[in-house]
Amino acid sequence: EDKVVQSPLSLVVHEGDTVTLNCSYEVTNFRSLLWYKQEKKAPTFLFMLTSSGIEKKSGRLSSILDKKELFSILNITATQTGDSAVYLCAGFYNTDKLIFGTGTRLQVFP
Amino acid sequence: GAVVSQHPSRVICKSGTSVKIECRSLDFQATTMFWYRQFPKQSLMLMATSNEGSKATYEQGVEKDKFLINHASLTLSTLTVTSAHPEDSSFYICSARGAGGPGETQYFGPGTRLLVL
Repeated sequence: EDKVVQSPLSLVVHEGDTVTLNCSYEVTNFRSLLWYKQEKKAPTFLFMLTSSGIEKKSGRLSSILDKKELFSILNITATQTGDSAVYLCAGFYNTDKLIFGTGTRLQVFP
Repeated sequence: GAVVSQHPSRVICKSGTSVKIECRSLDFQATTMFWYRQFPKQSLMLMATSNEGSKATYEQGVEKDKFLINHASLTLSTLTVTSAHPEDSSFYICSARGAGGPGETQYFGPGTRLLVL
């Protein structure tokens, strides 16, 4: 059965800390892995990772995919309160379906 | 990024009524749209895949007669929850994918929160 597992389920840090969010997957005909940030509404797109070992960066966020070990990490450096959200990863499989993990809830306190 | 809108953002209805939710891609043509449902503190679960001009493909366990999907144009898909019951209360989110085909990023709408009394 296809599944995407994220850890930790929740994380509480102080502003300025660096966090690493984990995502492992078992997805048939895997194509790529996506990271989304979800605040109170729908998810907003962060990264799409297709190739192993190539880091993608956007400001303080970065992510990398390991297709051999079937996992990805999302790093956030110098966290800010605005980073507080649920971070979702999703495996993109078969034709064009996404299977989501349950998310990591990050809370950043001042 | 691409913009996807949903309407309404929130709806409260009585049990037994039908509710229609619209999903529009505002600045691109969406050949495929997806409908998800998210219960509190759970992740998004795909309900169905909607291709413009053809019948929607439903995921296992999703009743196609209860959740009617119409994708009449390249910018609009609708989800109608027929004879809604309290257990249908949830956050419904659509996403849209452009004409680039499989592998192209999906962009999500802001979601519709449905409460059935």
